[in-house]
Amino acid sequence: DAKTTQPNSMESNEEEPVHLPCNHSTISGTDYIHWYRQLPSQGPEYVIHGLTSNVNNRMASLAIAEDRKSSTLILHRATLRDAAVYYCILRRAGSYNTDKLIFGTGTRLQVFP
Amino acid sequence: GAVVSQHPSRVICKSGTSVKIECRSLDFQATTMFWYRQFPKQSLMLMATSNEGSKATYEQGVEKDKFLINHASLTLSTLTVTSAHPEDSSFYICSARGVGADYGYTFGSGTRLTVV
Repeated sequence: DAKTTQPNSMESNEEEPVHLPCNHSTISGTDYIHWYRQLPSQGPEYVIHGLTSNVNNRMASLAIAEDRKSSTLILHRATLRDAAVYYCILRRAGSYNTDKLIFGTGTRLQVFP
Repeated sequence: GAVVSQHPSRVICKSGTSVKIECRSLDFQATTMFWYRQFPKQSLMLMATSNEGSKATYEQGVEKDKFLINHASLTLSTLTVTSAHPEDSSFYICSARGVGADYGYTFGSGTRLTVV
């Protein structure tokens, strides 16, 4: 499975933008980049995903490097409810045996009022 | 949006007994479901992949006789922890995958198992 590397923790103040980086230098052409977040004592929640182009949704934006070896999850205005562990995961779609989510250690985001 | 319901949310059982956890996809068909476990302050660890109507595929190091998985329908998968022991105490989370290469994964809210 292709691996991702994320900082263990990051901090932000409320109302400020947050850029969460992820390195995935061994990504292959069929790997989708997925981001999930997990609040304490809850299951992971889907945030966003992309393949090659940058993506925007109501929760966040995903900026993907041109060589796809890194990506950045952008929360435009952090709120206290965004405090969570954020996981960047590569998903190899299209193959029964490899289409699954393998979680790394993630980034614990703290948001201060 | 897609919803996965997981029950129970919390369970306490005595050592040596078995516990069943249910995972249901409420508004979509999930041919494939996944089971994870998570210890405190650690990441999720994939235990097994279950496909409707066939045997589950277990990850390396996961005891298939201890963690029985059944996926009898397109909307229901169950995980049974047999002869539970205190070291099995953990947070168990299921996930369901919809159809199509671009379809996301939806997670249940998790089950906190405490074996006493």
